[in-house]
Amino acid sequence: QKEVEQNSGPLSVPEGAIASLNCTYSDRVSQSFFWYRQYSGKSPELIMSIYSNGDKEDGRFTAQLNKASQYVSLLIRDSQPSDSATYLCAFGNQFYFGTGTSLTVIP
Amino acid sequence: ETGVTQTPRHLVMGMTNKKSLKCEQHLGHNAMYWYKQSAKKPLELMFVYNFKEQTENNSVPSRFSPECPNSSHLFLHLHTLQPEDSALYLCASSTGGRATGELFFGEGSRLTVL
Repeated sequence: QKEVEQNSGPLSVPEGAIASLNCTYSDRVSQSFFWYRQYSGKSPELIMSIYSNGDKEDGRFTAQLNKASQYVSLLIRDSQPSDSATYLCAFGNQFYFGTGTSLTVIP
Repeated sequence: ETGVTQTPRHLVMGMTNKKSLKCEQHLGHNAMYWYKQSAKKPLELMFVYNFKEQTENNSVPSRFSPECPNSSHLFLHLHTLQPEDSALYLCASSTGGRATGELFFGEGSRLTVL
């Protein structure tokens, strides 16, 4: 059974701070990793995809992948109240999702 | 038309009823998915269709029966459900083929089984 573990929440950060979300996965052969954001009462939407070891930056978001440690993270710089949501990580052909980490950014 | 549309948005049914969930995508994608989302649990894959062929069935009970008549439409037929089947059912689509790419989700159908 392939599994995804996300850091337990909820996570609260002040506005302007860096939010750090972490995820470990069980499948050593996975090549694709994804972060989705889900606002309350809404469906998930893709924020980042990452396929190679290292960092990938997109605006205020940075995804970090370490395949040897089976670890992927998402950093949100200059956090805004609009970033308050649940963040889901997924791997494989997006068949396996974590339970999500709830993030609240406090104004 | 929005990218992925699901109907109905809310459904209440008894354990002996038969109902269907419908999903339609207007993105020209070739893969469609059903996911189940329950509180405090990971998003759970149920079925995958690639170019109208079912490629994944994640050990889903037979009381859930999918149907994919073409690449734009996906149905989930429900019968003799149990209260623990109450959840949000999400449909998604992607470009399809070997690499899944980004999943585009519909708004979901909230199912309550009495």
